[in-house]
Amino acid sequence: AQTVTQSQPEMSVQEAETVTLSCTYDTSESDYYLFWYKQPPSRQMILVIRQEAYKQQNATENRFSVNFQKAAKSFSLKISDSQLGDAAMYFCAYRILYGGSNYKLTFGKGTLLTVNP
Amino acid sequence: DAGVTQSPTHLIKTRGQQVTLRCSPKSGHDTVSWYQQALGQGPQFIFQYYEEEERQRGNFPDRFSGHQFPNYSSELNVNALLLGDSALYLCASNRGNTGELFFGEGSRLTVL
Repeated sequence: AQTVTQSQPEMSVQEAETVTLSCTYDTSESDYYLFWYKQPPSRQMILVIRQEAYKQQNATENRFSVNFQKAAKSFSLKISDSQLGDAAMYFCAYRILYGGSNYKLTFGKGTLLTVNP
Repeated sequence: DAGVTQSPTHLIKTRGQQVTLRCSPKSGHDTVSWYQQALGQGPQFIFQYYEEEERQRGNFPDRFSGHQFPNYSSELNVNALLLGDSALYLCASNRGNTGELFFGEGSRLTVL
């Protein structure tokens, strides 16, 4: 069974600084997707960034980038120039690329990010 | 373009009762998934519906059941409620094999 582990229950960062959130996962599959989702107090899960395991290049979306280490099964999220609006719960998630479990996401327990002004 | 909408947003039930939660997928989406998110935890997959059939199911008892209608909207039913069923129930939709899930804001269920 696939598992996703986020070892940092809480993190804090000063506004305009950079912070990195950690995620490790366990899978026997070779093709899969990894995601970072943001959940603000409004409760709606918002996709931050996605990484396909077959792509060696790390994904980047504006101030958000990932460090994907497939062999180490590590998938960290770096937030640059942190803004107050980045404060939220961040979840790392995994799903298999093909097969019957295609639409099932496996989530970690989350990291609560606080941004200090 | 309306996103994923869920109702009700909050509800309170007592143990043993039954509850029905509703979800309308994002326009153009045909697949609906349900997740349970207990307080302080990540969401856990309950099941997924496509073409009005349950396609995948997570590790949840038969007290959890669902339905998908011809207009792709969906319901989640939970029977014989337990205190442990208190959680945020998230609905997510996607289209075909893209796997890009869009989530609703959830229904917060409290069981007393």
